[in-house]
Amino acid sequence: EPEVTQTPSHQVTQMGQEVILRCVPISNHLYFYWYRQILGQKVEFLVSFYNNEISEKSEIFDDQFSVERPDGSNFTLKIRSTKLEDSAMYFCASSVGGRAFFGQGTRLTVV
Amino acid sequence: TQLLEQSPQFLSIQEGENLTVYCNSSSVFSSLQWYRQEPGEGPVLLVTVVTGGEVKKLKRLTFQFGDARKDSSLHITAAQPGDTGLYLCAGGSAGTYKYIFGTGTRLKVLA
Repeated sequence: EPEVTQTPSHQVTQMGQEVILRCVPISNHLYFYWYRQILGQKVEFLVSFYNNEISEKSEIFDDQFSVERPDGSNFTLKIRSTKLEDSAMYFCASSVGGRAFFGQGTRLTVV
Repeated sequence: TQLLEQSPQFLSIQEGENLTVYCNSSSVFSSLQWYRQEPGEGPVLLVTVVTGGEVKKLKRLTFQFGDARKDSSLHITAAQPGDTGLYLCAGGSAGTYKYIFGTGTRLKVLA
């Protein structure tokens, strides 16, 4: 069964460094999303992407975040200058027909 | 701001018991999804409901969307230890490009 894949599964980075989280959405899906989940907390919406542009973003998705679909398969989330509070699980999702499927996540630890 | 409140927050029951988890909002959703999440993994889609009053069954799990599409319930019959996990509801609204997640219900089924 098709699935959303994310790499890496774990990423440790120093505060102030840039990180890129990568995702391969399900191939026939049109909408793509990034969510994050701080340990023990709710799954929070970051951004949605459709037709090569951002459709909607949350207050969390400030100028240090950006998304890109560099080719026909990958969907990336870049954090320019990481902060300690960016430590979380980051989930990519894709959807079609109102059904959203999530990847296994990237655990980002900022030290 | 759309919010989805789930109750109970925690539930610990014996194998074989029945249980119901609730997902409530003051907002109307065009679709509602239920996910199960294991520790350190991404949410796994269980079901999507889109019509007010809709009932869907997945083996021992029964999902219902409220008539007004503001609430939903998940009923598990004869719970098994394998049902242990975090159950999340997520609502989608027409005209938006995001899913709002509920607060989650952590279920533990004891053998």
